[in-house]
Amino acid sequence: AQKITQTQPGMFVQEKEAVTLDCTYDTSDPSYGLFWYKQPSSGEMIFLIYQGSYDQQNATEGRYSLNFQKARKSANLVISASQLGDSAMYFCAMREGGSDDKIIFGKGTRLHILP
Amino acid sequence: NAGVTQTPKFRILKIGQSMTLQCTQDMNHNYMYWYRQDPGMGLKLIYYSVGAGITDKGEVPNGYNVSRSTTEDFPLRLELAAPSQTSVYFCASSYSSRPGSGELFFGEGSRLTVL
Repeated sequence: AQKITQTQPGMFVQEKEAVTLDCTYDTSDPSYGLFWYKQPSSGEMIFLIYQGSYDQQNATEGRYSLNFQKARKSANLVISASQLGDSAMYFCAMREGGSDDKIIFGKGTRLHILP
Repeated sequence: NAGVTQTPKFRILKIGQSMTLQCTQDMNHNYMYWYRQDPGMGLKLIYYSVGAGITDKGEVPNGYNVSRSTTEDFPLRLELAAPSQTSVYFCASSYSSRPGSGELFFGEGSRLTVL
């Protein structure tokens, strides 16, 4: 069954440091995608980064990168040089590529950037 | 740039009342989803649709119904509202160019309170 796990309910990080947010997943579908979203206190959902299961290289988008370890079924988000504006909830999500096309989310990690 | 539009943004219901949350998208996306987010929690999938005329249950479908008569619209109906349905509801749409791909485009959310 499709499953996403985020084990860090909250994290505190000093500004300008790098931070890694953990995400593990489970699926029997060989074709799937992994996504990270940011939800600031204002409530909107912001797409950050995507990794396909067949992609050879780890995805990067500006200060965001995805540490994809397929054998371990993990897709950790790395934010380099954190900024105060990075304080938010972060959600990992998975989309299976079969006929199902369900997209499910983890419980999220609340990130606090300290000045 | 309308994207995904949800109405209403706020609503207070009495126990036992019914209502419909409207969702429309103008991006010609085949895939549409309804999620609920309880305070401090992740997003739970209620129902989703892979195209007009096709709907399927998500993780928490009880107490809700959907229909998808057009590509653009995906209304969510609450029958016999209960306090447990107090939540923020997000509608989202997506395309998919290959299996597992395609990020979600979210509406702004609808905050529903059942008293």
